[in-house]
Amino acid sequence: GDSVTQMEGPVTLSEEAFLTINCTYTATGYPSLFWYVQYPGEGLQLLLKATKADDKGSNKGFEATYRKETTSFHLEKGSVQVSDSAVYFCALEKSGGGADGLTFGKGTHLIIQP
Amino acid sequence: GAVVSQHPSWVICKSGTSVKIECRSLDFQATTMFWYRQFPKQSLMLMATSNEGSKATYEQGVEKDKFLINHASLTLSTLTVTSAHPEDSSFYICSARDSSLAKNIQYFGAGTRLSVL
Repeated sequence: GDSVTQMEGPVTLSEEAFLTINCTYTATGYPSLFWYVQYPGEGLQLLLKATKADDKGSNKGFEATYRKETTSFHLEKGSVQVSDSAVYFCALEKSGGGADGLTFGKGTHLIIQP
Repeated sequence: GAVVSQHPSWVICKSGTSVKIECRSLDFQATTMFWYRQFPKQSLMLMATSNEGSKATYEQGVEKDKFLINHASLTLSTLTVTSAHPEDSSFYICSARDSSLAKNIQYFGAGTRLSVL
């Protein structure tokens, strides 16, 4: 079945450091790919998405490129801030049409120190 | 942005009792809602897909008689954990898909922590 693998945390960085959180997936067909972020005490919020190969999703300085050849969707940010501390989830939707539930990775806890 | 409200946020109950969790889309209509379960340090696992006005579709291994889902309106879905036991203790999260726009985005509630004694 479909699966998402992302790097285990916690990941601890200093403010203004470069961030990469790796995410790879296994799925048939052409899934849509997502990154969600969860701040303490809040629900998951969509951070960015990509619906087809070579698409780049971006939001709030975060970027991720849909790489079908490597089945990856790594999350990057050039300069992190303390406010970026949260849990980040990589996810896929197999149909891409919005009718299916999402398959999630285990989440990566990111801690940014001032 | 779109808001999904989930209630209660935390519930403690005795073994053998039933617990109802509500998921509401506050500012949009949702023909489709989803229920997930999350164990500590694990990913969210899809339990079922709830479609307004029809029966829910359950994922393999999820007991439909144990986890009753009702989606009677375009803004409300409920999950009832029947005859709860300690192994049902978990974090339950709902999401709703905005059916008014072709955004194909799921908006998530903040989750409900269920503790069964």
